[in-house]
Amino acid sequence: KAGVTQTPRYLIKTRGQQVTLSCSPISGHRSVSWYQQTPGQGLQFLFEYFSETQRNKGNFPGRFSGRQFSNSRSEMNVSTLELGDSALYLCASSRLGTSFTDTQYFGPGTRLTVL
Amino acid sequence: AQRVTQPEKLLSVFKGAPVELKCNYSYSGSPELFWYVQYSRQRLQLLLRHISRESIKGFTADLNKGETSFHLKKPFAQEEDSAMYYCALSGAYSGGYQKVTFGTGTKLQVIP
Repeated sequence: KAGVTQTPRYLIKTRGQQVTLSCSPISGHRSVSWYQQTPGQGLQFLFEYFSETQRNKGNFPGRFSGRQFSNSRSEMNVSTLELGDSALYLCASSRLGTSFTDTQYFGPGTRLTVL
Repeated sequence: AQRVTQPEKLLSVFKGAPVELKCNYSYSGSPELFWYVQYSRQRLQLLLRHISRESIKGFTADLNKGETSFHLKKPFAQEEDSAMYYCALSGAYSGGYQKVTFGTGTKLQVIP
């Protein structure tokens, strides 16, 4: 079974631009969660989608948004990029959707650099 | 406030020695607690969660509500245990959302 895939793997943007990251979950998984990982803040939960609905949300500004499609693939969008948005963005999928009581499988991440 | 503290950034132990990775939390309700592991050049993966009361790769973790701790333990460290370990807590509905908080991680280095 193919694992969670994320595209692109690396991305360089400039301040003020917007970016869209993509995550394809494991086949049969309906829940997708997004995390931001930085050396200073560590791992921070962004949001979780289940069956195209956002069901869990972290403490990030509205510039961070996401969506999930009917095939469970998910996208994360960051508008008006700031230098502090430079991070590794991780996506994780799980089968049941109650993602923190179900095993999550992580993707390799997208490394975003904002110049 | 909901908080997870991993006091050690780096823990070095000799092969065969016992391992204890500390995790303390601050939460007023009934928490769900997890340990995640990331081996070098590999993806982050769930190691164990307290509700399962399972033992994975020889690791166990007991939730101590009195001490608000969820320390990860293994009686005999192996070189392949060298990795980054994260403790995480899920709980506290805020505005209808369940909040998830990670610790800053502890790097375990097992010395041959």
